[in-house]
Amino acid sequence: QLQLQESGPGLVKPSETLSLTCTVSGGSISSSSYYWGWIRQPPGKGLEWIGNIYNSGRTYYNPSLKSRVTISVDTSKNHFSLKLSSVTAADTAVYYCARDDYGGGVDYWGQGTLVTVSS
Amino acid sequence: DIQMTQSPSSLSASVGDSVTITCRASQSISRYLNWYQQKPGKAPKLLIHVAAGLQSGVPSRFKGSGSGTDFTLTISSLQPEDFATYYCQQSYSTPYTFGQGTKLEIK
Repeated sequence: QLQLQESGPGLVKPSETLSLTCTVSGGSISSSSYYWGWIRQPPGKGLEWIGNIYNSGRTYYNPSLKSRVTISVDTSKNHFSLKLSSVTAADTAVYYCARDDYGGGVDYWGQGTLVTVSS
Repeated sequence: DIQMTQSPSSLSASVGDSVTITCRASQSISRYLNWYQQKPGKAPKLLIHVAAGLQSGVPSRFKGSGSGTDFTLTISSLQPEDFATYYCQQSYSTPYTFGQGTKLEIK
């Protein structure tokens, strides 16, 4: 059974960089034909797609965040990562990592991790 | 970006009822429309992919339909575990945008 698990700091100071890692178990990132991505949800609000990456390193980002976002993959560690720079309070959200079936929806999700931006 | 508009934003229903949630895209997305169920404190769960494909393990009382710009999710014979928030998402083009959500509450 595929499992995804987010890890990283739960508190980030304004103007700093948010960094999260998603470790995938029960399957290999490099052997599959899926995209691996990040989605966030501010407290009490809806879902926002951040971006995704293929195992080749090809990325797609939400234009609203593109200048601040980097998603990378490390197939040797079977994990992928999110970096969001110059954060503000508006970036406070639960961040989910996920497997994206490229048009077929997000079929596996991590449990989510709350990241709060505050000094 | 493609805008996704769900209606209603909330609705109340009773166990055993049938309900329909609609999702409209700001431009044609063919059949690249997915539906998710989210319960408080949990990650969303994929119910329907590509407009009408029932995700493995999802009960058959969940039915999706539509194409182009207009889509529906119908839940028949509501069960207590169905009371949750539902989101549509287009996967036609990036950024993959979501609807604002529909909260289904017990009457």
